[in-house]
Amino acid sequence: GQNIDQPTEMTATEGAIVQINCTYQTSGFNGLFWYQQHAGEAPTFLSYNVLDGLEEKGRFSSFLSRSKGYSYLLLKELQMKDSASYLCAVPFSGGYNKLIFGAGTRLAVHP
Amino acid sequence: EAGVTQFPSHSVIEKGQTVTLRCDPISGHDNLYWYRRVMGKEIKFLLHFVKESKQDESGMPNNRFLAERTGGTYSTLKVQPAELEDSGVYFCASSQQTGDNYGYTFGSGTRLTVV
Repeated sequence: GQNIDQPTEMTATEGAIVQINCTYQTSGFNGLFWYQQHAGEAPTFLSYNVLDGLEEKGRFSSFLSRSKGYSYLLLKELQMKDSASYLCAVPFSGGYNKLIFGAGTRLAVHP
Repeated sequence: EAGVTQFPSHSVIEKGQTVTLRCDPISGHDNLYWYRRVMGKEIKFLLHFVKESKQDESGMPNNRFLAERTGGTYSTLKVQPAELEDSGVYFCASSQQTGDNYGYTFGSGTRLTVV
């Protein structure tokens, strides 16, 4: 089967750096997505990793290690607006037609 | 471009009643997906349309749920009769191509409460 684990909650201070981890088990790998979801809003795409390594996109970076079944999302220079849930997701083995989501990590950024 | 639109944003119904949720995908997106998040759990796949055809409905919980996408444009998800455990947030998403590496575009969801 497929399974995704991520911490339930994290807190951080404005201006700091936070790393949100995600571990996954899947029989076939077709990449890993990170989404951001503010309360009551749509999940929005942040990143997609299919190869090992770090991909940087402004204040947000995403890392993948396929051999370890591990990814993290790194948020730098935290802002209050970064308070949201961060969802890790992998395509169901066999295709992209459906995503398997983790339960999400709720990040609270404090002044 | 307009995003994925879902209606209504909230719905409160009594157990045993019928509710119909609507999703308007981004224009030109052939792929339309329904997902659901029940309280405290992860977002789970319900089904996938390619145009008007059901490509995968393996996540539909039971036969009280009926999804349609007539004409390959908007989609409806009907729950009849609703049960308490159907409460949750129902998300719709669309993508232009199957296997789109930029992921889906999600709607804001319909929060369904069955009392």
